[in-house]
Amino acid sequence: AQSVAQPEDQVNVAEGNPLTVKCTYSVSGNPYLFWYVQYPNRGLQFLLKYITGDNLVKGSYGFEAEFNKSQTSFHLKKPSALVSDSALYFCAVRAAGNKLTFGGGTRVLVKP
Amino acid sequence: EPEVTQTPSHQVTQMGQEVILRCVPISNHLYFYWYRQILGQKVEFLVSFYNNEISEKSEIFDDQFSVERPDGSNFTLKIRSTKLEDSAMYFCASSRPSGQNRQETQYFGPGTRLLVL
Repeated sequence: AQSVAQPEDQVNVAEGNPLTVKCTYSVSGNPYLFWYVQYPNRGLQFLLKYITGDNLVKGSYGFEAEFNKSQTSFHLKKPSALVSDSALYFCAVRAAGNKLTFGGGTRVLVKP
Repeated sequence: EPEVTQTPSHQVTQMGQEVILRCVPISNHLYFYWYRQILGQKVEFLVSFYNNEISEKSEIFDDQFSVERPDGSNFTLKIRSTKLEDSAMYFCASSRPSGQNRQETQYFGPGTRLLVL
């Protein structure tokens, strides 16, 4: 069975400060890892994914994520957060089959 | 940029009624999915569909649920006899064909919020 944990329900950060959203996973076999963002009344928007290769993956809107196999983590990062980054962030893993397994989501609040 | 679209955005129905949720996947995609998110809970996989048949389904996807691709553009989820616990946001997603399908990104629609009274 595959699972994803996002240990923080909410992350508060001041605008301009670094933002980190944590994600750990548990799978059998090689994981394919994804981050999605959900703005109010919108669907899930793809941010980035790790398939293979470099452990640091760059995605949309200045976000990046680092795959750490030994710690089974895939934390999302942004060097300088914007107020417009305030949203709900989901980490997801795909190992066997077609389905994505999602974490519980982390609400990010960026204060001016 | 192509997007997955879903209709309706909101649906209110009475318990025991049938509902059909509609999705138009991205045009060159061949894998289609339904997920749901009960308020305050995780996004959960329901079913995946490829080549006119279900390729995978979860325990949630019981006999009350069915999916169909009635024409070349629509992908539907039918709930035959809705229950209160079916109230959720339902997301459709699609991905393009690939020999390594697990690598392909699933693109999600905006969702249909279903409320069963």
